[in-house]
Amino acid sequence: DAKTTQPPSMDCAEGRAANLPCNHSTISGNEYVYWYRQIHSQGPQYIIHGLKNNETNEMASLIITEDRKSSTLILPHATLRDTAVYYCIVRQWGAQKLVFGQGTRLTINP
Amino acid sequence: EAQVTQNPRYLITVTGKKLTVTCSQNMNHEYMSWYRQDPGLGLRQIYYSMNVEVTDKGDVPEGYKVSRKEKRNFPLILESPSPNQTSLYFCASSLIHREYEQYFGPGTRLTVT
Repeated sequence: DAKTTQPPSMDCAEGRAANLPCNHSTISGNEYVYWYRQIHSQGPQYIIHGLKNNETNEMASLIITEDRKSSTLILPHATLRDTAVYYCIVRQWGAQKLVFGQGTRLTINP
Repeated sequence: EAQVTQNPRYLITVTGKKLTVTCSQNMNHEYMSWYRQDPGLGLRQIYYSMNVEVTDKGDVPEGYKVSRKEKRNFPLILESPSPNQTSLYFCASSLIHREYEQYFGPGTRLTVT
């Protein structure tokens, strides 16, 4: 699985869009980008995934660059409940194991 | 409510005393997995199961056993716990064809003294 690089921490004001970057410059053609988050010591929660097209669901949007070497998770209107560690994961479609790195600790400030 | 449950949520035990952490899901998921989470090391997979009676080692299986006799249950067994197994443990499950969306349990915080 391709290695990912994320900033260790970020801050965002409540109500603003939170943009979380992820670098995955060694991603291969059959690898997808997945995002999970973990709210303090709770079990991780799936957010969104994508291959090369931008994706949107009720939780977030995922923007993947054309060369697929990086992506950005966007929380459009961050709330205090979005404070969590966000993990960017790259792996092959169908591979069951999730490999979690250190993630980005996002703090939403009132 | 669709969920993954784990018991106990907290456990303090002594070295060598066998223990079992239970995991159960009510979503008819084929795939189940155990992870441990340690500061600075992230989440690491211990064991996984693709279906009943099918289990396989993850990245850190030493000191652990699992079984999958029923689809809904996937217990984690520590035959002789040691202090280096003090950790936060998570069980996860998913449908085989929706493996991208894994559901995690609330976690079990284990302390071995």
